Amino acid sequence: AQSVTQPDIHITVSEGASLELRCNYSYGATPYLFWYVQSPGQGLQLLLKYFSGDTLVQGIKGFEAEFKRSQSSFNLRKPSVHWSDAAEYFCAVVPWYSGGGADGLTFGKGTHLIIQP
Amino acid sequence: DGGITQSPKYLFRKEGQNVTLSCEQNLNHDAMYWYRQDPGQGLRLIYYSQIVNDFQKGDIAEGYSVSREKKESFPLTVTSAQKNPTAFYLCASSIGWGDMNTEAFFGQGTRLTVV
Repeated sequence: AQSVTQPDIHITVSEGASLELRCNYSYGATPYLFWYVQSPGQGLQLLLKYFSGDTLVQGIKGFEAEFKRSQSSFNLRKPSVHWSDAAEYFCAVVPWYSGGGADGLTFGKGTHLIIQP
Repeated sequence: DGGITQSPKYLFRKEGQNVTLSCEQNLNHDAMYWYRQDPGQGLRLIYYSQIVNDFQKGDIAEGYSVSREKKESFPLTVTSAQKNPTAFYLCASSIGWGDMNTEAFFGQGTRLTVV
């Protein structure tokens, strides 16, 4: 079965500094890859997704992610964080053969981002 | 505006009682899902439905039940058989089946507390 690892439970970044959140997946083939963000007490919002093609994916709110097949990674980056970026971030994968249904989504356990003034 | 509405936002239940969480979507999506979220655990799939009048168990279905009588609605009942029901519950939907349709849209969640 596929699995998703987000190695960092908490990350603290100063406002204006760059950010990288790590995501590694365990799977035999290239899955579909997603990053979601969750504000406290709220639902999840999709930041970006990768299905195929260019391995550098641009998303909303100035985020980007790079798929590296050799490292089974899909790390999320932002060049300069804002206090409003403080939230929980989830990486998720779906096997390409699942038929496309989101019931195949496997989520990582999340990374809590704290922004220091 | 199209979206997914979960109600209520907060719900309190006494031990031994069943409770039903509402989820409605006006996105015309075929597929709907229920997830449970616990601190530090990520999201775990409870049930999903690909089409009206059909649903499948997810990874943690024990103690839960669902129905899908209408395309727009996918209510979740937390039964007294669920041993640890206090959690944050998220409903989601997606267009349906097939490649490129895996993006899930989420509601705002219901926080259930058993007292």
